[in-house]
Order: sequence, then structure tokens, then C-alpha cells
Amino acid sequence: NAGVTQTPKFQVLKTGQSMTLQCAQDMNHEYMSWYRQDPGMGLRLIHYSVGAGITDQGEVPNGYNVSRSTTEDFPLRLLSAAPSQTSVYFCASKIGTGARENTIYFGEGSWLTVV
Amino acid sequence: EDKVVQSPLSLVVHEGDTVTLNCSYEVTNFRSLLWYKQEKKAPTFLFMLTSSGIEKKSGRLSSILDKKELSSILNITATQTGDSAIYLCAAFSGAGSYQLTFGKGTKLSVIP
Repeated sequence: NAGVTQTPKFQVLKTGQSMTLQCAQDMNHEYMSWYRQDPGMGLRLIHYSVGAGITDQGEVPNGYNVSRSTTEDFPLRLLSAAPSQTSVYFCASKIGTGARENTIYFGEGSWLTVV
Repeated sequence: EDKVVQSPLSLVVHEGDTVTLNCSYEVTNFRSLLWYKQEKKAPTFLFMLTSSGIEKKSGRLSSILDKKELSSILNITATQTGDSAIYLCAAFSGAGSYQLTFGKGTKLSVIP
């Protein structure tokens, strides 16, 4: 089972460059989300989606765009990378949006460095 | 604004000790609380708690939710070096936004 797949695992960007972190899940999950994890800050929600065609902002959305054209894919775009976006990014999904379906599946993380 | 606070932020214990990790939450329309263990990569799921006072157990780990106090604890008995990790607590809000708010984590180090 592939589960939640993130690519790339590691990336170095120059300030001002744009890039897309890919996230795909093969479990037919409605809910997908992106978090960033910084030392001492825990996991912070960037954007999330409750289904194809529906996205919404989380706690720290600035500098990031998302789209959800299919159930399987939820890419995260950095429009103009900044050193403050150096972080570890996790994509996560879960079956539904109800309170009972709370087991979240995480991708393995994408380590991004902006220089 | 939804908030989850974990304490302590870091903890060093010796093998065999028992530890208690704390999590308190303030979220809109609270639905459930989740505990995760994070070693080098992605967090792995430990427990989901929705009802107050019902202990969940898995081996040496156990957790309980207190909705009156808006808190949860994670206990680890007879700690082993393999328990060294960051333990994350997260509260699920069902207030239309379906957001999971994470605490900053407790870094547990178990030394031989």
C-alpha cells in the first residue's frame, strides 16, 4: 500500500524561486492537508481540503498556494521561496471529515531549504 | 483561536522510569484528541480519545482524556531507549473547519 506519498524528499531552493511539493494518496481520502514543522513550533497547518475542488487556509497560509483538482492529489506551491519557508513539510490525509474518522495518515515529509 | 499546550517541552529519564506527558487544549467544538509519536520521520498514530475517563492502552503506553479539565495525559511505564521521541498531542475541532491543531510536542529522551 502506497498510502500518502510526498515528493521530493529533499530540496534546496534559491530565494525567489518557485516550486511545487507533490502529495498523492491512494486511499480515496476526502480530507488532505499540508503542515510545516519547525523546531519548537510543532506542526502548523498551512492549507487543507475537504474534497476535490475545495480548499481552505490553515494557520500559516501566506506564501503558499494549493489546489485539489482530483481526490488523489494535493500539491503545495511555493510562489516565491523565502528563507523563512525553510522547514519540513508534511502532507496528511484522512478518510472523511466526520469526527469518527480521525486517523490521520502522514507522508514521510519533505525537507526544504531556501538559501 | 484554537490552542494546544503540551508540557513539559522536554524530559530526560532513565530506562525503567515511568513518565507522564501532559496536554491541555482550547478548541472550538472539540471532537477528539490524538496522540502521536514522532521519531525521525512522520508522526505515527498512538491513540484517539473522544470520551472522558476511558483509558486507552497499548502495551506500556496509556492515555486518558478529561473533558472537564480540557486535558489529556500520556503515560509510559518501564521506559526503554526506543521510547525516545517527540510526542505530539493534537485536538480535532469539528467547528466546520475540520482542523487538527497540534501542540509543540514533548521531546522525551530515555537514557540507559
